[in-house]
Amino acid sequence: TQLLEQSPQFLSIQEGENLTVYCNSSSVFSSLQWYRQEPGEGPVLLVTVVTGGEVKKLKRLTFQFGDARKDSSLHITAAQPGDTGLYLCAGYSDRGSTLGRLYFGRGTQLTVWP
Amino acid sequence: EAQVTQNPRYLITVTGKKLTVTCSQNMNHEYMSWYRQDPGLGLRQIYYSMNVEVTDKGDVPEGYKVSRKEKRNFPLILESPSPNQTSLYFCASSSRYQQGREKLFFGSGTQLSVL
Repeated sequence: TQLLEQSPQFLSIQEGENLTVYCNSSSVFSSLQWYRQEPGEGPVLLVTVVTGGEVKKLKRLTFQFGDARKDSSLHITAAQPGDTGLYLCAGYSDRGSTLGRLYFGRGTQLTVWP
Repeated sequence: EAQVTQNPRYLITVTGKKLTVTCSQNMNHEYMSWYRQDPGLGLRQIYYSMNVEVTDKGDVPEGYKVSRKEKRNFPLILESPSPNQTSLYFCASSSRYQQGREKLFFGSGTQLSVL
């Protein structure tokens, strides 16, 4: 059972286009994180959102945490080839038995063509 | 430089031959974890450790063992590897859980092939 569902699984777009990646769950998380992974490397943290409704911006990337702390989105404006990579969302459980465990979505493979 | 170091980077072995993948972190982190990454399945947690001598199963622990005798090291042991354990493995570490603000640091990965 996948706790976090990411969509789409694959995204192939032209340079300059906008895109949104979604991360959804029926569970509540104490926080949501987004990681980016490049071929041959481990994932690297981009952002952590903690408060329901929180919006964070990282240059052309905008991250939002849902009001109920069950979902998140990543929006990229004017995508560039350097944005190409695997984007992973991850949520910290706030349940008693799994408190502190970090669960990952399956990832969105983004390819931006020049 | 803060880092998580895994070795080896690539490993080809045969079914049944015991192997160990080492993981070491230099950030004095309490939490360490092993993941495997397979196409279409994402990152799945194998084992994790909240501190020295404290380990627990993740989502896919079958066929793996771990130990945490020192804070900095968290080796992954495959006692009798099988072809379905062919995968890309990542070790990760972070500071102690504090409301989900911790950053998980990943190693560069170990690509394991079991023939």
